[in-house]
Amino acid sequence: EDQVTQSPEALRLQEGESSSLNCSYTVSGLRGLFWYRQDPGKGPEFLFTLYSAGEEKEKERLKATLTKKESFLHITAPKPEDSATYLCAVRGATNKLIFGTGTLLAVQP
Amino acid sequence: DTGVSQDPRHKITKRGQNVTFRCDPISEHNRLYWYRQTLGQGPEFLTYFQNEAQLEKSRLLSDRFSAERPKGSFSTLEIQRTEQGDSAMYLCASSFGTSHNEQFFGPGTRLTVL
Repeated sequence: EDQVTQSPEALRLQEGESSSLNCSYTVSGLRGLFWYRQDPGKGPEFLFTLYSAGEEKEKERLKATLTKKESFLHITAPKPEDSATYLCAVRGATNKLIFGTGTLLAVQP
Repeated sequence: DTGVSQDPRHKITKRGQNVTFRCDPISEHNRLYWYRQTLGQGPEFLTYFQNEAQLEKSRLLSDRFSAERPKGSFSTLEIQRTEQGDSAMYLCASSFGTSHNEQFFGPGTRLTVL
């Protein structure tokens, strides 16, 4: 069964303190790993799609990487506005996205 | 704003009542998805349309749930005889193309069943 596990569940950082979020997955025939950002009471906002091991994508202070078993979302010098829940999802043989439970990130000034 | 829109944003209802939600996808997106999200969890897939055809349904979608996309544009999700366990955020997403790439989500409809 396709499964996504995210860690840590919550992370508190000081402004400027870089860190990484982890997404471990098991899926039959990966057809995409997706990262989303979700603010309280809002829908998920698309960040990145990764398709194959070794692939990397960057956007501002965020960088996503992918291996055959996990993905990392690296946050460099975070700012308070980066505070949100970060969701990881995979798409396998079926057409649906399987989401993890997310990492709640709080960046303190 | 040309993103995915959902209506209403909030709905409070009494147990046993029927509710209907609407989703307007990004124009020209031929795929539309419904997900449900409860507090502290990631979204869970409910169903998916390609144009007007409903192609996949989750086991989560009980007989009390029905979704339509009559003209391949907007979609509705109806819940009959609501139960307290139906309380959740109902999210709609859309995508374009033949390979189910990036899904763009709407703001969601928050349902509270009293």
